[in-house]
Amino acid sequence: DAMVIQNPRYQVTQFGKPVTLSCSQTLNHNVMYWYQQKSSQAPKLLFHYYDKDFNNEADTPDNFQSRRPNTSFCFLDIRSPGLGDAAMYLCATSRVSGGFPFSYNEQFFGPGTRLTVL
Amino acid sequence: TQLLEQSPQFLSIQEGENLTVYCNSSSVFSSLQWYRQEPGEGPVLLVTVVTGGEVKKLKRLTFQFGDARKDSSLHITAAQPGDTGLYLCAFFTGGGNKLTFGTGTQLKVEL
Repeated sequence: DAMVIQNPRYQVTQFGKPVTLSCSQTLNHNVMYWYQQKSSQAPKLLFHYYDKDFNNEADTPDNFQSRRPNTSFCFLDIRSPGLGDAAMYLCATSRVSGGFPFSYNEQFFGPGTRLTVL
Repeated sequence: TQLLEQSPQFLSIQEGENLTVYCNSSSVFSSLQWYRQEPGEGPVLLVTVVTGGEVKKLKRLTFQFGDARKDSSLHITAAQPGDTGLYLCAFFTGGGNKLTFGTGTQLKVEL
């Protein structure tokens, strides 16, 4: 089945130790998103890739970076994790067609990676 | 800044009860989406509403988009434990590329 896969499902890191979370998709979607979700809160968009174009949200800390080496894979790098970065990190994909002023796109989410910072 | 406020924030009910979740804003939206997120999983799209006054049904779930397209509601009839999860309304920004979620409603249905 086509899907969005996130690895690992659970990640434990130490305060200040860089960590990378990965996302892969078999949907061949052109847009990939990274969200941060804290307990009982709504997901908050960190950034997204529209094809190869990186789009950062204005309030995303510099500590968070992303890479998309190809259509299928996208990585979230946290350079120096703090205790406040402990959260669920969700990857999502969507197929967005250029030229449309509006599109009712469905985003397909992975199961998330739960990050613990010790 | 466009915001979506959901109410209630938390809801704990018994199996078989009915409930309604509200999603409100002072902004007008071209469309709204509803997602459900089960524990330990990512959100899954339930419905997209695009026309003011529109009503859509998905089995025991009924979604309504307000006439003025500023609000939406989700009504669940005869709730079941499998309905437990975080319900999120959301709207598009960034030309349709980005989704902004509402504040969320955490629903727990007990036997």
